[in-house]
Amino acid sequence: EVQLVESGGGLVQPGGSLRLSCAASGFTVSSNYMTWVRQAPGKGLEWVSVIYSGGNTYYADSVKGRFTISRDNSKNTLYLQMNSLRAEDTAVYYCATFKHWGQGTLATVSS
Amino acid sequence: DIQMTQSPSSLSASVGDRVTITCQASQDISEHLKWYQQKPGKAPKLLIYDASNLETGVPSRFSGSGSGTDFTFTISSLQPEDIATYYCQQYDYLFTFGPGTKVDIK
Repeated sequence: EVQLVESGGGLVQPGGSLRLSCAASGFTVSSNYMTWVRQAPGKGLEWVSVIYSGGNTYYADSVKGRFTISRDNSKNTLYLQMNSLRAEDTAVYYCATFKHWGQGTLATVSS
Repeated sequence: DIQMTQSPSSLSASVGDRVTITCQASQDISEHLKWYQQKPGKAPKLLIYDASNLETGVPSRFSGSGSGTDFTFTISSLQPEDIATYYCQQYDYLFTFGPGTKVDIK
């Protein structure tokens, strides 16, 4: 059974950093494309970033230059390093293959 | 960037009604479109991929059609458990979600 379990969310001040993790089981992270999708409170879904099996990475314009997606093949885990956080980055962050989704982790940016 | 629009933004229908949602892409995306169902507090669930293919285990009352820029999602007979927000998503170039359609029971 495929499972994706996110962690690392929390409360951070504007300008701060968070590192989200997504531990995968039941499939190999490096053999799939993996994405991060976020959802601000009461809002719709927003694609954030993708890492392809070959290692290429892409970002939404709203996070480009501030967020970095990566993976650790030995741990079968996906990461999202979020720097220079803003209030508008407050959201539930999901890792997903789009067929499979994690339960999400809430990142709150507030002073 | 490819932009996605959906209509309506919300709808109310009776149990058993046929419900239709439309999704439009700002440029030709072939059939690179997915539909998701999201219930409050839950992660989205994939229903349809490649515009018209039903994901395994999804009830047959859900269907999708279209290609190019115009797509349609249909629930043939609305059930109480279908109350949710539905999103389209293009994956022709990177990924973009539509704004969503909230479906309620009248």
